[in-house]
Amino acid sequence: GQQVMQIPQYQHVQEGEDFTTYCNSSTTLSNIQWYKQRPGGHPVFLIQLVKSGEVKKQKRLTFQFGEAKKNSSLHITVTQTTDVGTYFCAGPRKGAGNMLTFGGGTRLMVKP
Amino acid sequence: DGGITQSPKYLFRKEGQNVTLSCEQNLNHDAMYWYRQDPGQGLRLIYYSQIVNDFQKGDIAEGYSVSREKKESFPLTVTSAQKNPTAFYLCASSMQGTEFFGPGTRLTVL
Repeated sequence: GQQVMQIPQYQHVQEGEDFTTYCNSSTTLSNIQWYKQRPGGHPVFLIQLVKSGEVKKQKRLTFQFGEAKKNSSLHITVTQTTDVGTYFCAGPRKGAGNMLTFGGGTRLMVKP
Repeated sequence: DGGITQSPKYLFRKEGQNVTLSCEQNLNHDAMYWYRQDPGQGLRLIYYSQIVNDFQKGDIAEGYSVSREKKESFPLTVTSAQKNPTAFYLCASSMQGTEFFGPGTRLTVL
């Protein structure tokens, strides 16, 4: 079946360091979405990438969609304590309309 | 103010009791979903509904039931058949494939 995997599962960084999480799908995706869940909170939509090789930026966050549309990455520069949380990627489920399959998430912890 | 509401935020129940979690949205979304999240884990799909009066089992439906009598409402019942019901339950609705989540209900079964 379709799988969406994320690595690493956990990442500790010192405040000011950069951070990257990687998302890999077993199937080609029509789009990839990223969500952020703060500790104790709920996932919040960050961005959607649609085109092969697409790169989008949101301040210190850079999102990439791979050329083959099977992988994606989220890179955060100069991490801050406000970046703490779990970052999930998600892609459309095969044969299920607009439903999503979520990756397992990468939990980011930032040491001040 | 549009959004998704879930109540209550925290819920405690004794083992063997059924409990119903509320999920309401005023975003006019057709599709709604229920996810379960265990500590430090990802999101697992319990049930989903693409339209009123229709719903389908997700990946971990055993021990749960839902109804979708109104577009705005998608309540989830955790039955006594669910072996490990203690978890964080998230409801979501979607428009064009992007999901919007409610604040969640933390269920603890004692």
